[in-house]
Amino acid sequence: NAGVTQTPKFRVLKTGQSMTLLCAQDMNHEYMYWYRQDPGMGLRLIHYSVGEGTTAKGEVPDGYNVSRLKKQNFLLGLESAAPSQTSVYFCASSTFSGVPGELFFGEGSRLTVL
Amino acid sequence: AQSVTQLDSQVPVFEEAPVELRCNYSSSVSVYLFWYVQYPNQGLQLLLKYLSGSTLVKGINGFEAEFNKSQTSFHLRKPSVHISDTAEYFCAVEDYGGATNKLIFGTGTLLAVQP
Repeated sequence: NAGVTQTPKFRVLKTGQSMTLLCAQDMNHEYMYWYRQDPGMGLRLIHYSVGEGTTAKGEVPDGYNVSRLKKQNFLLGLESAAPSQTSVYFCASSTFSGVPGELFFGEGSRLTVL
Repeated sequence: AQSVTQLDSQVPVFEEAPVELRCNYSSSVSVYLFWYVQYPNQGLQLLLKYLSGSTLVKGINGFEAEFNKSQTSFHLRKPSVHISDTAEYFCAVEDYGGATNKLIFGTGTLLAVQP
């Protein structure tokens, strides 16, 4: 009963390093999202995808790239990490059938950029 | 663009007391409204949602919320809280007809239930 799985759960980077966060869902959902959570700011949408091969920008896309090559996976990349990207990152997935469906979240990936 | 305001960053309350967590959203023609809960070190999970119909919505764990269009509010209530309700609660809105399920979240309210 995996649902949405994020890897890695923790990572420490130095400024300028690159990394990729992987999100995998086993619910056959069309839609997937990457959010970041910062104290006092709630969750902010970075990028999202409404289907395999499609991606779109959210509220705070700068410094991030994404790819959705397979329906079940949504990758979030940081090409050159900055301290401002220290955050907890959440992946979510959902369906949409005329009315909004529930977003199912992963447990989060805590990233620290030194 | 839509926005959500949660005025209270933290709400302390004693066990078995009632609680109300406030949420206001920016006006739009129609909206879908949600409350999500985040327990420590976990992802968010849906508590309840308002799509249409009755303005009083019941969710899991005894929570309910009332949609008030004239006041653009969607406050969350529980008549008697338990220690296990300690968590962060997020109000969220989606533009009607957006067809993307993109949610705009509020900044969250930490509900701290004390014995």
